[in-house]
Parts: sequence; C-alpha cells; structure tokens
Amino acid sequence: SYDLTQPPSVSVSPGQTASITCSGDKLGDKSACWYQQKPGQSPVVVIYQSTERPSGIPERFSGSNSGNTATLTISGTQPMDEADYYCQAWDRYTGVVFGGGTKLTVL
Amino acid sequence: QLQLQESGPGLVKPSETLSLTCTVSGGSINSNNYYWGWIRQPPGKGLEWIGNIDYSGHSFNNPSLTSRVTISVDTSKDQFSLKLRSVSAADTAVYYCARRHQVVIDYWGRGTLVTVSS
Repeated sequence: SYDLTQPPSVSVSPGQTASITCSGDKLGDKSACWYQQKPGQSPVVVIYQSTERPSGIPERFSGSNSGNTATLTISGTQPMDEADYYCQAWDRYTGVVFGGGTKLTVL
Repeated sequence: QLQLQESGPGLVKPSETLSLTCTVSGGSINSNNYYWGWIRQPPGKGLEWIGNIDYSGHSFNNPSLTSRVTISVDTSKDQFSLKLRSVSAADTAVYYCARRHQVVIDYWGRGTLVTVSS
C-alpha cells in the first residue's frame, strides 16, 4: 500500500511562517492536495495539484512537491489558521491516500 | 453551489450493516468528470478513504475495507450510498460523503456520526 507521513504537530508564532511536510515514495511524481480541518467542521481544500490554490483561499497558503516530500507553507500565519492539516494523494493501487494529519498550533 | 448531505442511522449494532445515503443538490451526479465517495474519521483521529463510484457505477474501494464495502449510485435521484457489513466498534466514526475531481476532493458533506454499539 501507499503511505503518506506527516509530523503530528507543528507550532508557529503569529506572523511567522509555518511549514508542514508530507512524505511518500516518489510523491513528487504525484499530485498532492492539502486540506484544512477546524474542530467540528468538514475538511476544506487549501492546495490542489501540489501548488494550486482554490479561489477564496488566502495567498499566504502555498504548496510545493519534489522528490519524496510535499510541503504546505503558510506565510504570515494568523491565529485563524490553527487547525488540523491533511495531505492527500492518489495511488493507482491504493486509491485515495491521506496522511495522518498535522495539528498546527499558533501561539 | 453544490451540496452533499449524508443521511442514515446514527446507531448500528455490532455485526450488522451500516447503511448511509448521500444526496447531491445544486448539481448532477450524471457527469463523467467526477467520482462520488465516502471518507470516515474516527473520533479524535485522521481521515480514512472508504471508496468511490462514478456515474456509470464503476467503483474502487480502499483495499483494506473492500471485502466489507459496497458503494452504489442512483443517478435518477442524484444519490449514492454506502453499505459497510459486519461492523464493530472500530467502525465508529464521522462519515463524510464527498466529490472527487481527478485527485482533489473538492466538495464534502457536513458528515454524520455513526456509533456502533449494542
């Protein structure tokens, strides 16, 4: 099966840059997506096709993907960005694959 | 604006079958560009993909669950459904229905909590 690995938690001070990584075998050859989930809410896509930002998602969210690692970067992190973040990819044998999730704390 | 809404029992007994339906509004299931599927999230844990289906009925399930999962589609009602057999407490989760376009899951339902308990 195909697996994606994320750090369980990341902390950042308000206004600083947060980086959340997602590791998987040759992940750079795949399209990666990132979802934000706040407590009690459904996930919302913040990055798709590794680097694309949906309409309505602030410009401070960006993505990159190379080698075995995809990265979600939040520049000028705001308190409202505190949430769980999940990476996701597609594997032809496993189907939709999610990372384990990263809890972003803004303090 | 596309909306997805899950419906079904919130409590299922162990060894029985969990059945949920997702109703799509503001758009049609009858398109060859999208896949319609189910994702679950146990309390306090991460997301797990269950499987998806296209408008013609072709389905693809998580290999770890496929022996217990059936996903079906009713294009006349703009609905698709999940059946998960032989449930146990480990199947207690919030179940989301969702739309996938290529790789990205771009629309999600609000989710429904299903508890497996006697």
